Amino acid sequence: QQQVKQSPQSLIVQKGGISIINCAYENTAFDYFPWYQQFPGKGPALLIAIRPDVSEKKEGRFTISFNKSAKQFSLHIMDSQPGDSATYFCAASKGNDYKLSFGAGTTVTVRA
Amino acid sequence: DGGITQSPKYLFRKEGQNVTLSCEQNLNHDAMYWYRQDPGQGLRLIYYSQIVNDFQKGDIAEGYSVSREKKESFPLTVTSAQKNPTAFYLCASSRHANTGELFFGEGSRLTVL
Repeated sequence: QQQVKQSPQSLIVQKGGISIINCAYENTAFDYFPWYQQFPGKGPALLIAIRPDVSEKKEGRFTISFNKSAKQFSLHIMDSQPGDSATYFCAASKGNDYKLSFGAGTTVTVRA
Repeated sequence: DGGITQSPKYLFRKEGQNVTLSCEQNLNHDAMYWYRQDPGQGLRLIYYSQIVNDFQKGDIAEGYSVSREKKESFPLTVTSAQKNPTAFYLCASSRHANTGELFFGEGSRLTVL
């Protein structure tokens, strides 16, 4: 059973548009929420991460929004570029636990 | 350059054969992990190791085995007991076991013929 539910499965956005990916979790013990970016044929790489003591974190064109009461977090990609075309995974872990629980992934396609 | 090296990148296996996937890291990380990636299912943890000579089962360990004799190396054996072994396998490491920041290799794609 997947502990982190991710949607949508895929999305297409025009260059310059905003891509939004949503994730929801049930385990209130989760306290670390990273996003990974994966290009075809490559391994995932950490993109940005947030802890529940803040509601938003921004790095360049990438922003995580976190809603603790709703147990949801989302990734916004502003001014989407063709180079952002990739699969994005949300994940969560708790305390001193080693294990990351991953969402199913969202394939983002940015059309030029 | 520091990183994680997985080999081979592509591997074909006949049913009933065991196969070993290599994973080497020069990041001096304590913890290492093996994940399996299937379309639409995200990444699922097979095994992990927090220190040398110690490893634990993840969520889908059946049909797999690992060893951790050196800090740098964490090979994964896909045995004939694994019912559906065709997948993309990813090795990862982290500085310590209790951090969520994983560094991944480029993966090994195993196809069973």
